[in-house]
Amino acid sequence: AQSVSQHNHHVILSEAASLELGCNYSYGGTVNLFWYVQYPGQHLQLLLKYFSGDPLVKGIKGFEAEFIKSKFSFNLRKPSVQWSDTAEYFCAVIPSRRGYQKVTFGIGTKLQVIP
Amino acid sequence: SQTIHQWPATLVQPVGSPLSLECTVEGTSNPNLYWYRQAAGRGLQLLFYSVGIGQISSEVPQNLSASRPQDRQFILSSKKLLLSDSGFYLCAWSVPSSGLAGYNEQFFGPGTRLTVL
Repeated sequence: AQSVSQHNHHVILSEAASLELGCNYSYGGTVNLFWYVQYPGQHLQLLLKYFSGDPLVKGIKGFEAEFIKSKFSFNLRKPSVQWSDTAEYFCAVIPSRRGYQKVTFGIGTKLQVIP
Repeated sequence: SQTIHQWPATLVQPVGSPLSLECTVEGTSNPNLYWYRQAAGRGLQLLFYSVGIGQISSEVPQNLSASRPQDRQFILSSKKLLLSDSGFYLCAWSVPSSGLAGYNEQFFGPGTRLTVL
């Protein structure tokens, strides 16, 4: 079974600072990877996803993530955060196989951006 | 467009009372449906998933059960709530993959905050 590890549980940044949230997964085969975000009072929603091809994927609101297969990592980055990026961020992994597969989520990282 | 509804938004129940949380999806047919529990510091834990009417799979042993009486309706239930059932419950749906799994993202509802006293 797969697992996901998010290293930073609570991150506090000032506006305009750069962001990198770590995500590592454990699985012996091909995977698809996701970052979801939950803004205060809003639904959990997809930020970006990786299935194949270019390991650098771009999502909404200036976020990007890089899949490094050799490191089993899918870190989320943003060069300059804004106060509106305050939210909880979840990394998720699913095996790329036929049939139903379970999505496994990390425990989440709470990001607080200080104006 | 597709939408997903959950109700109630918040619920306070005494220990030992029954529970029924409802989730409905609009604008799609034969979705995969999921119930998650979100607890602080523990992320999202998958409780149940369903790939069709009457088809329920449980991911973890627990005090809860799920049912899918209609294609786009998913219900989370308990006969007797425990204190440990408190949490934030999320319903989600996805389009079934005809090929490799995981191609389709999950769409989440607004959640239900359950407090068991």
